[in-house]
Amino acid sequence: EAQVTQNPRYLITVTGKKLTVTCSQNMNHEYMSWYRQDPGLGLRQIYYSMNVEVTDKGDVPEGYKVSRKEKRNFPLILESPSPNQTSLYFCASTPSRGEVTDTQYFGPGTRLTVL
Amino acid sequence: RKEVEQDPGPFNVPEGATVAFNCTYSNSASQSFFWYRQDCRKEPKLLMSVYSSGNEDGRFTAQLNRASQYISLLIRDSKLSDSATYLCVVNQTGTALIFGKGTTLSVSS
Repeated sequence: EAQVTQNPRYLITVTGKKLTVTCSQNMNHEYMSWYRQDPGLGLRQIYYSMNVEVTDKGDVPEGYKVSRKEKRNFPLILESPSPNQTSLYFCASTPSRGEVTDTQYFGPGTRLTVL
Repeated sequence: RKEVEQDPGPFNVPEGATVAFNCTYSNSASQSFFWYRQDCRKEPKLLMSVYSSGNEDGRFTAQLNRASQYISLLIRDSKLSDSATYLCVVNQTGTALIFGKGTTLSVSS
């Protein structure tokens, strides 16, 4: 089944404790991205990657890191989480290099709480 | 980054009603347009792309007015299962999608 998977789905952590949220897609998509969704603010892009070893900042990259060592994986790293990073996170992938007509396929989301 | 604006609602309608959502975007260079549906904080899923000539998919009709920078979604004969949040999405740079904050629809029996 073609899908985007994220782990963990739910995470409660404490300020300053490094964490990684994994994202994997099995559709051989080139383009992947991370979003966060907050009430009243909608979906905002954190980082995106157009291909292996190519990453770039989105609208809200502060406090996050990403890597793209393999085409299928795009982990999101919070080196020192803070309470304002409590949010619902979505990973997404698109078949080609962000062609304007391509659909984005979203993972199921990761609900992160930072205490 | 310029914005995509939607009426947040909520729109509360009875089954069988026709309901329309509107969306405006501020960047005239925007290239492609979509409506996504999101249920109960689950992942967004593509409902339909929006083409300049307008397009229809069953009970759903999408319209685009580039001159006015305006997108619409019409839902006819609303079903209980249409209850969700509808996200207007615009591609502005060719690599990033800009999401509206969403319009919430609640269909009641």
